[in-house]
Amino acid sequence: EAGVAQSPRYKIIEKRQSVAFWCNPISGHATLYWYQQILGQGPKLLIQFQNNGVVDDSQLPKDRFSAERLKGVDSTLKIQPAKLEDSAVYLCASSLGPWGETQYFGPGTRLLVL
Amino acid sequence: AQTVTQSQPEMSVQEAETVTLSCTYDTSESDYYLFWYKQPPSRQMILVIRQEAYKQQNATENRFSVNFQKAAKSFSLKISDSQLGDAAMYFCAYRSKGNEKLTFGTGTRLTIIP
Repeated sequence: EAGVAQSPRYKIIEKRQSVAFWCNPISGHATLYWYQQILGQGPKLLIQFQNNGVVDDSQLPKDRFSAERLKGVDSTLKIQPAKLEDSAVYLCASSLGPWGETQYFGPGTRLLVL
Repeated sequence: AQTVTQSQPEMSVQEAETVTLSCTYDTSESDYYLFWYKQPPSRQMILVIRQEAYKQQNATENRFSVNFQKAAKSFSLKISDSQLGDAAMYFCAYRSKGNEKLTFGTGTRLTIIP
């Protein structure tokens, strides 16, 4: 069974530029999560999708971050414009559904904003 | 809001020895899940072990076991017969039963000494 796929693995941009990350969850997983992991900290949930719908985006900085999950499968997370403090690893995870299933994580995308 | 505390930023253990990583959490809920995740340098977050709060028996997975003390809100991870491949960041995480959001601690970096 293929795991959660993410791309790109690394991205370096200048502040005020825009960037997008892509995630393909495990086949059949209805729930998808985006986490931000700043160096030295544990991951922090940015947004959670259940199929196409947003379940929780309370910690997503909506003035600059946006995310979508078209057709309930792949998802993209966008930052526009990026700030220096957005430098972090962005992790995507998926789970079967909202009934206590384990979350499986992708390899992450490391973003450096200069 | 729930919080997860890992008071040991770094730990080291001799190969083949046993090590225990500490985790405490704060919650007012009675039913929830606790997890230990491992994050090697490759960054892929891997589930090590999971515990359901209503189960009194401590979870075990091969060389990994937990000491779950519900009253004390403590959830430590014991790694027996440590191997070089166990070197990684270890994160303790909490999840409410009615909410899929994972709350992570700040992690413990485990070094295995050959």
